[in-house]
Amino acid sequence: EPEVTQTPSHQVTQMGQEVILRCVPISNHLYFYWYRQILGQKVEFLVSFYNNEISEKSEIFDDQFSVERPDGSNFTLKIRSTKLEDSAMYFCASREDYSNQPQHFGDGTRLSIL
Amino acid sequence: DQQVKQNSPSLSVQEGRISILNCDYTNSMFDYFLWYKKYPAEGPTFLISISSIKDKNEDGRFTVFLNKSAKHLSLHIVPSQPGDSAVYFCAAENTGGFKTIFGAGTRLFVKA
Repeated sequence: EPEVTQTPSHQVTQMGQEVILRCVPISNHLYFYWYRQILGQKVEFLVSFYNNEISEKSEIFDDQFSVERPDGSNFTLKIRSTKLEDSAMYFCASREDYSNQPQHFGDGTRLSIL
Repeated sequence: DQQVKQNSPSLSVQEGRISILNCDYTNSMFDYFLWYKKYPAEGPTFLISISSIKDKNEDGRFTVFLNKSAKHLSLHIVPSQPGDSAVYFCAAENTGGFKTIFGAGTRLFVKA
């Protein structure tokens, strides 16, 4: 069964540095998402992406965050200047279409900010 | 953002018995509801969903019930198995939006 893959599985970065988290969604999917889960807390929506543009974003997704689909297969989340509170699991998800279809999640990237 | 609430952080059930996980929501615009299961070090895995035009959806051992007037849904697992032990997330979204709201999760323990 096709799956969403995320790299790296664990990223350690110094505070203030830029980080890029990478995702390869399922190939025929059209909708893409990023979520984060701070340790012990709920899964929080960050952003959705469709037709090469952001469809919706949460209040968490401020100017430090950006997303890109650079080559038709990868879907990336960039955090420009990381803060300690950005430490979390980041999950990518994709969906084939929007008509009552579930999202398929990757196994996440653990981001640790030192 | 408390639009989706799972008020029980954990639930313990004997193998073979029924597990009932509950979820409440506040936004009446939600019209599609999902349950995801999550093991440690893995991403959420889709389990079952229900559209707001239905009040029940069944898939094998898993049944989801939706009570729109009460803004409440529940997931029933019958019979429960030790492999069902995981964190279960309720999620909700509205058609035409692109945002999914998750509950805080309920950790299910199924004892052999």
